[in-house]
Amino acid sequence: DAGVIQSPRHEVTEMGQEVTLRCKPISGHNSLFWYRQTMMRGLELLIYFNNNVPIDDSGMPEDRFSAKMPNASFSTLKIQPSEPRDSAVYFCASRLGQISYEQYFGPGTRLTVT
Amino acid sequence: TQLLEQSPQFLSIQEGENLTVYCNSSSVFSSLQWYRQEPGEGPVLLVTVVTGGEVKKLKRLTFQFGDARKDSSLHITAAQPGDTGLYLCAGAGAGGTSYGKLTFGQGTILTVHP
Repeated sequence: DAGVIQSPRHEVTEMGQEVTLRCKPISGHNSLFWYRQTMMRGLELLIYFNNNVPIDDSGMPEDRFSAKMPNASFSTLKIQPSEPRDSAVYFCASRLGQISYEQYFGPGTRLTVT
Repeated sequence: TQLLEQSPQFLSIQEGENLTVYCNSSSVFSSLQWYRQEPGEGPVLLVTVVTGGEVKKLKRLTFQFGDARKDSSLHITAAQPGDTGLYLCAGAGAGGTSYGKLTFGQGTILTVHP
């Protein structure tokens, strides 16, 4: 049974470049979450979708960040232009339904912006 | 904004010792979850507690949800090196704009020495 799949696992890019992170949620799950984890701030929710619709993007730090979910099996988080302070591990998580609060996390993408 | 304070931040103990991690908030949560995260991986759900005063046991791990559903604790008996990792508590919003969202504590890094 495949879990949440994220790609790439590691990304190193230069300041100013566009970065796109990808996520495939668990099949049948209809909620998807993007988180960012740093030592300083811990695990922060950036945005979440229910049935492919963005519900709450209040955690998205700036207009440089955008997220899409074109269908139930794919989501992207884009940073344009990237900055060194965006360096972090980005996690995608999915959840079955709205009654269950249990989220299943992917392995994360470690982003380094130089 | 709902906040969860987790303590201690770091815990370094010898194999066989007992330990307790605390998670406190001034907000009420509809449920509270505990996750364990290993380096290079995403958080993995250990348990969900829903009812105030609820106690759940998972082998050597005991989880408790406060009567007022504002706090929780994780107790590990006879810790083993395999318990080493980052432990995260996460509270589920009770309603309104918080519905469906998890608020994570900062985490407790546990190291168990053989």
